[in-house]
Amino acid sequence: DTGVSQDPRHKITKRGQNVTFRCDPISEHNRLYWYRQTLGQGPEFLTYFQNEAQLEKSRLLSDRFSAERPKGSFSTLEIQRTEQGDSAMYLCASSSTGYSQPQHFGDGTRLSIL
Amino acid sequence: DAKTTQPNSMESNEEEPVHLPCNHSTISGTDYIHWYRQLPSQGPEYVIHGLTSNVNNRMASLAIAEDRKSSTLILHRATLRDAAVYYCLSSGAGSYQLTFGKGTKLSVIP
Repeated sequence: DTGVSQDPRHKITKRGQNVTFRCDPISEHNRLYWYRQTLGQGPEFLTYFQNEAQLEKSRLLSDRFSAERPKGSFSTLEIQRTEQGDSAMYLCASSSTGYSQPQHFGDGTRLSIL
Repeated sequence: DAKTTQPNSMESNEEEPVHLPCNHSTISGTDYIHWYRQLPSQGPEYVIHGLTSNVNNRMASLAIAEDRKSSTLILHRATLRDAAVYYCLSSGAGSYQLTFGKGTKLSVIP
């Protein structure tokens, strides 16, 4: 059973650097989501794709953040000019289309900004 | 999406049933109730969801109050592997965005 895969699992970088994370969803799922989770809090929605189209972006997704899903399969989330406040767990989830389908999450990429 | 309220933490003895409550007094008629759980160092895991009727699956049961203002997640026999943060959420019909609160941290005592 291949679930949602995220790479890398951990990323440590210096403030001001750019970082990119990858998410491989469950193959038959055409919806893909990105969330961010800080310590002690629940995940917060960032953005959502249906196939290759990015249909919604949260106000949390500043202009330093960009997400793509070029062929409707894997997705990347890039953060430019990282700041201390970007330190968090970045979670990817996928689901099939349909009424209130459950989302299946990966184990996330933990980003630490030095 | 309706706001949900859960206790911050609960304890259960191993092999006993656990009832995790959730209040969602502002839920609308078409909002689904979802439960996810998150084990340490893992992403959230879907547990169960429902609209009006009680629901059962291999992991748990979901009991929804008749007025839909509250629900209870039932783990029939808690194991140590059930120790996690349990999130109760509601989402509108066709909604794609999950809004998580802080959840209930469940501790299971051997």
